[in-house]
Amino acid sequence: KAGVTQTPRYLIKTRGQQVTLSCSPISGHRSVSWYQQTPGQGLQFLFEYFSETQRNKGNFPGRFSGRQFSNSRSEMNVSTLELGDSALYLCASRKGIGTGRLYGYTFGSGTRLTVV
Amino acid sequence: LAKITQPISMDSYEGQEVNITCSHNNIATNDYITWYQQFPSQGPRFIIQGYKTKVTNEVASLFIPADRKSSTLSLPRVSLSDTAVYYCLVGDFEMDSNYQLIWGAGTKLIIKP
Repeated sequence: KAGVTQTPRYLIKTRGQQVTLSCSPISGHRSVSWYQQTPGQGLQFLFEYFSETQRNKGNFPGRFSGRQFSNSRSEMNVSTLELGDSALYLCASRKGIGTGRLYGYTFGSGTRLTVV
Repeated sequence: LAKITQPISMDSYEGQEVNITCSHNNIATNDYITWYQQFPSQGPRFIIQGYKTKVTNEVASLFIPADRKSSTLSLPRVSLSDTAVYYCLVGDFEMDSNYQLIWGAGTKLIIKP
């Protein structure tokens, strides 16, 4: 079956711009989480969506937002980009809350965002 | 919340057994321990998960002592392709809102010929 698909794979933006990243989860997975990964900070949790509702949120400023659609696809948006937002943004899906602990997340390959 | 400590890096040689230990002193009763593997420019990939004692699958074993304050990922007979970053994750995927899974900083494993 198809894995988690993230688009685009690479993105270069200018400071002050905004960006939207897309994630299509594995079919049947209703939960989508977003992570930021940088060499210095490791994996940092952004937020998790389940059934179009944000269920968890990490410690990121309001410039980082997301949403989930009825087909479980998710987007995250970063407004007023800063140089420090350069990172690999990972999307991870799982079947959903209450559907079992086993295996946890399946990750996509990520979107590499570079802010110049 | 559990704080996770794992070695920053490790080296080993092809054919050897590699053990990576993760410390999680404040693990909660319902928390599971999960290990992921990550190659450059890819997302992390599930390796193994356990709650207590020993779990084994086709790629690794996971040893968890009775107090569950640490866990050891064991990779038997490693090859060059096992060079990657290994993450320890503690948490309960069953939990509902306002609960964050705790990730270790990752162990960069380098396998030499």
